[in-house]
Amino acid sequence: QKEVEQDPGPLSVPEGAIVSLNCTYSNSAFQYFMWYRQYSRKGPELLMYTYSSGNKEDGRFTAQVDKSSKYISLFIRDSQPSDSATYLCAMSSYSGGGADGLTFGKGTHLIIQP
Amino acid sequence: SQTIHQWPATLVQPVGSPLSLECTVEGTSNPNLYWYRQAAGRGLQLLFYSVGIGQISSEVPQNLSASRPQDRQFILSSKKLLLSDSGFYLCAWSPANPNQPQHFGDGTRLSIL
Repeated sequence: QKEVEQDPGPLSVPEGAIVSLNCTYSNSAFQYFMWYRQYSRKGPELLMYTYSSGNKEDGRFTAQVDKSSKYISLFIRDSQPSDSATYLCAMSSYSGGGADGLTFGKGTHLIIQP
Repeated sequence: SQTIHQWPATLVQPVGSPLSLECTVEGTSNPNLYWYRQAAGRGLQLLFYSVGIGQISSEVPQNLSASRPQDRQFILSSKKLLLSDSGFYLCAWSPANPNQPQHFGDGTRLSIL
């Protein structure tokens, strides 16, 4: 079983829709959870950073962490064509990653149709 | 504000040639630094981690090496490139103080011919 599972997509939705992106993981030691957005030929850009279970909201983005189910989600409200990108979930046992770095999902390719 | 720079953005090298990729961070001191590789269809893989000058931890045995000659400079090297070294190489940093995430540069796309 892979440490982090993420549906690669592509996920195609119409502009204005609510998008739900998800990852599951197996390592119960993970405490720090991140979502990155990656445009083609660019580095990942940090969107959300959360610690332990709960919700965190930032503008149109909401991150949810359910440690009991080992499941994290990113919701995007009022999706825009500029949100079209690959979304990577990442997690770690130590803040900042530490010597183990971050463990990433393979990314979900999201397409927002105008 | 802090910024991270990687160069070159794109590189095409023949098999067996040497490699040197550079990463620098501005606006912070004593950062943790990381090298990752992102191969097609695979997630990001941690290659090297550094907490300070001259301190390098390697995650994956390979023909790559890393060095940190200055506090905010991280270099990825190889003496002889293999075809399997092709990929997208990303440098990242995080603050030394806890509870802060990693931030990535824009990467170097390396093609081995």
